[in-house]
Amino acid sequence: TQLLEQSPQFLSIQEGENLTVYCNSSSVFSSLQWYRQEPGEGPVLLVTVVTGGEVKKLKRLTFQFGDARKDSSLHITAAQPGDTGLYLCAGAGGNNAGNMLTFGGGTRLMVKP
Amino acid sequence: NAGVTQTPKFQVLKTGQSMTLQCAQDMNHNSMYWYRQDPGMGLRLIYYSASEGTTDKGEVPNGYNVSRLNKREFSLRLESAAPSQTSVYFCASSEPGTATRETQYFGPGTRLLVL
Repeated sequence: TQLLEQSPQFLSIQEGENLTVYCNSSSVFSSLQWYRQEPGEGPVLLVTVVTGGEVKKLKRLTFQFGDARKDSSLHITAAQPGDTGLYLCAGAGGNNAGNMLTFGGGTRLMVKP
Repeated sequence: NAGVTQTPKFQVLKTGQSMTLQCAQDMNHNSMYWYRQDPGMGLRLIYYSASEGTTDKGEVPNGYNVSRLNKREFSLRLESAAPSQTSVYFCASSEPGTATRETQYFGPGTRLLVL
């Protein structure tokens, strides 16, 4: 079983602060996805990173895939209350059959106004 | 488009009761999935169906059965519910392109409480 560990599990910050969420594994993945989930809803894909060392930006969110394709990070600049939610990383490929995804345990973010 | 729909939204069962969770997608996707989500454990795959007519076990299949009724619909059945099956259940679908770039689209979830 491949494991993806996310840290921290919980994060409560003030509006305007910066934060980084980490997703680590001992396994190599072909790609790494980040999802965001709001209360009462299903996860929604934010980004997919494929190449080792790849950096993608989505407005105030910056995603990076580790050089060895075993880890990833999500950095949010100047967090807003609208960023509040559960952030999930998910790895594809590696030892997974077909198109299966392995999900991390999630980071629950609360941004206070 | 509705995307992925799930019914019911909420359900309370007594231990030993059975029920079927329904899922339908209108995106003409070949692959469909059932996950459960428990606090601090992310999403764990119960069963998946790579295409119409096929189903396979995921990480946590015990206590569940599935039916891929047609390309649109994928149901999850609990034959004899147990308190350990209290969870939020999500259905998802995807259209495999390259395996490294797949996006899964999730339904809103079914919240199940087993007493």
